[in-house]
Amino acid sequence: AQSVTQLDSHVSVSEGTPVLLRCNYSSSYSPSLFWYVQHPNKGLQLLLKYTSAATLVKGINGFEAEFKKSETSFHLTKPSAHMSDAAEYFCVVSDRGFKTIFGAGTRLFVKA
Amino acid sequence: DARVTQTPRDKVTEMGQEVTMRCQPILGHNTVFWYRQTMMQGLELLAYFRNRAPLDDSGMPKDRFSAEMPDATLATLKIQPSEPRDSAVYFCASTPGQGSHTEAFFGQGTRLTVV
Repeated sequence: AQSVTQLDSHVSVSEGTPVLLRCNYSSSYSPSLFWYVQHPNKGLQLLLKYTSAATLVKGINGFEAEFKKSETSFHLTKPSAHMSDAAEYFCVVSDRGFKTIFGAGTRLFVKA
Repeated sequence: DARVTQTPRDKVTEMGQEVTMRCQPILGHNTVFWYRQTMMQGLELLAYFRNRAPLDDSGMPKDRFSAEMPDATLATLKIQPSEPRDSAVYFCASTPGQGSHTEAFFGQGTRLTVV
């Protein structure tokens, strides 16, 4: 069975400081993992994905995530937050391209 | 620019009325998902199809919800009768399908308000 847990419902950072959004997963198979971003009143956009290639994955807008099998984690990071990064972020696990399970989401606030 | 198209974008209806939401997946994608997003429950998977066949609709209230794919270019989600608790944003997403480990491409959603 698959599951995904986003450890923080809200994260607040100051502009220019690092961002860390935490995600833990469980999966019976080698999973695919994704991070999506949703800006207010918008659909979901893919930030990055892990599909068993390099464990450090780079995505759009300066985000990256590291797959750590031993810790069953896939945390999302960015060195320096911008105001435009304020949004909701979803960690997603998918087995073999089948059912996708979304985390509850982490809302990122960026203070000026 | 390939994208998933959902109609209508917004729908306000009275309790008891039938609501039909439509989704056009990306051409060539054979897996289609329906999600519901609310403040309280977050994103919930309602149902998904592969090659137009329903694979899993366990997330969907069976008594009033139904999902179909009349053809490869159209997926529908119907609520009859609608209730205020159905108010949510409904998202459709599509992927190329099994084994490809690709991301789901989402539509912009249908915001449903049942009054």
